[in-house]
Amino acid sequence: SAVISQKPSRDICQRGTSLTIQCQVDSQVTMMFWYRQQPGQSLTLIATANQGSEATYESGFVIDKFPISRPNLTFSTLTVSNMSPEDSSIYLCSVEDLGQMNTEAFFGQGTRLTVV
Amino acid sequence: AQKITQTQPGMFVQEKEAVTLDCTYDTSDQSYGLFWYKQPSSGEMIFLIYQGSYDEQNATEGRYSLNFQKARKSANLVISASQLGDSAMYFCAMRSAYSGAGSYQLTFGKGTKLSVIP
Repeated sequence: SAVISQKPSRDICQRGTSLTIQCQVDSQVTMMFWYRQQPGQSLTLIATANQGSEATYESGFVIDKFPISRPNLTFSTLTVSNMSPEDSSIYLCSVEDLGQMNTEAFFGQGTRLTVV
Repeated sequence: AQKITQTQPGMFVQEKEAVTLDCTYDTSDQSYGLFWYKQPSSGEMIFLIYQGSYDEQNATEGRYSLNFQKARKSANLVISASQLGDSAMYFCAMRSAYSGAGSYQLTFGKGTKLSVIP
């Protein structure tokens, strides 16, 4: 299993500003993922972040709005840029080691973002 | 495309009773994996149990068991002897289609909010 530390745990931000969320893993992992969970909703994958390559974004998410860094095998950041109230959500990072069919995903504690 | 359906937005159960949370799925893939996660009010996602599409036995993990009915495409979670700490959101998820980004994409249902009554 992997232990994931995600920071900040929560924040209240002004619209138009940006917030960078950090995800630190206690071991080297191949796959890192960023999810968004809007209030009362399920998890939606934003992007897959593999070390040494550009992040792969899902439909409806773009790099300008959600730039991602993955400098090494234990760390990643997600920035929520030019925020609006619609960005108020829980953002979760997730890791998997092998990307296999039966691989469970491990999640950070989440970042509760409120944009005012 | 893969899809997970959880039809129970909320459920109540008496402490020490058993409860079943429903999950149906849709995929054209023969090989897939089914997962259940628990999300307490604190927000983290906690892995509970896994069932592979080729597993003949229903998965069990302590008080959690998965009632897997492949022909009906259902993967219901059964929690026995409910405890107050079981109050949380429960998400069913499936992994089947290869995302092309190096992983089999994990698709989540909308979740069921379970409330355990003392």
